[in-house]
Amino acid sequence: GENVEQHPSTLSVQEGDSAVIKCTYSDSASNYFPWYKQELGKGPQLIIDIRSNVGEKKDQRIAVTLNKTAKHFSLHITETQPEDSAVYFCAASQNTNAGKSTFGDGTTLTVKP
Amino acid sequence: DAGITQSPRHKVTETGTPVTLRCHQTENHRYMYWYRQDPGHGLRLIHYSYGVKDTDKGEVSDGYSVSRSKTEDFLLTLESATSSQTSVYFCAISGLGTENSPLHFGNGTRLTVT
Repeated sequence: GENVEQHPSTLSVQEGDSAVIKCTYSDSASNYFPWYKQELGKGPQLIIDIRSNVGEKKDQRIAVTLNKTAKHFSLHITETQPEDSAVYFCAASQNTNAGKSTFGDGTTLTVKP
Repeated sequence: DAGITQSPRHKVTETGTPVTLRCHQTENHRYMYWYRQDPGHGLRLIHYSYGVKDTDKGEVSDGYSVSRSKTEDFLLTLESATSSQTSVYFCAISGLGTENSPLHFGNGTRLTVT
């Protein structure tokens, strides 16, 4: 089955700096890669996703890059703000059922004011 | 929360007792999922459903069963709770399933088995 590894497990940055979280996956059949943000006491929420036919996607301060050959994808957050502090999860799944996702173990991001 | 309600939000139970967690959605989505979240393990899929009375096992299904008698409700049952099932349980829905459709999660049920 699919295996997703996520690094780092914790990340602390100063407000205004950039943050990068990286994930690798093992199954070459995976073709959908969402990123979720989880705030304390809540369920994860989708913040951005990318499909295997795209190398990069941006949404304001957030971007995701995908390298299919190397089987890794990354989340980039620029101009970080204190409200970006949360746990971030990457995931991988196949087109046939995106809900059957394999998740990384999560990254706790702390943005210091 | 994409119209997803999980109940109860918190539960403490004793080892060996049966427990049922409920997930209710108002989005009329076909696909529903149960995940568990444990420290250092991300989220792991327990069971999922493609529709009424149509369910299948996920990665960590041992000790759990599910039922879906209506589109809006997906129940997760621990027949005989064990301490290893202490976890936070999340229900999720997705709209399409056959395409790359993201998951929408409820706010979770924190279950403690003593």
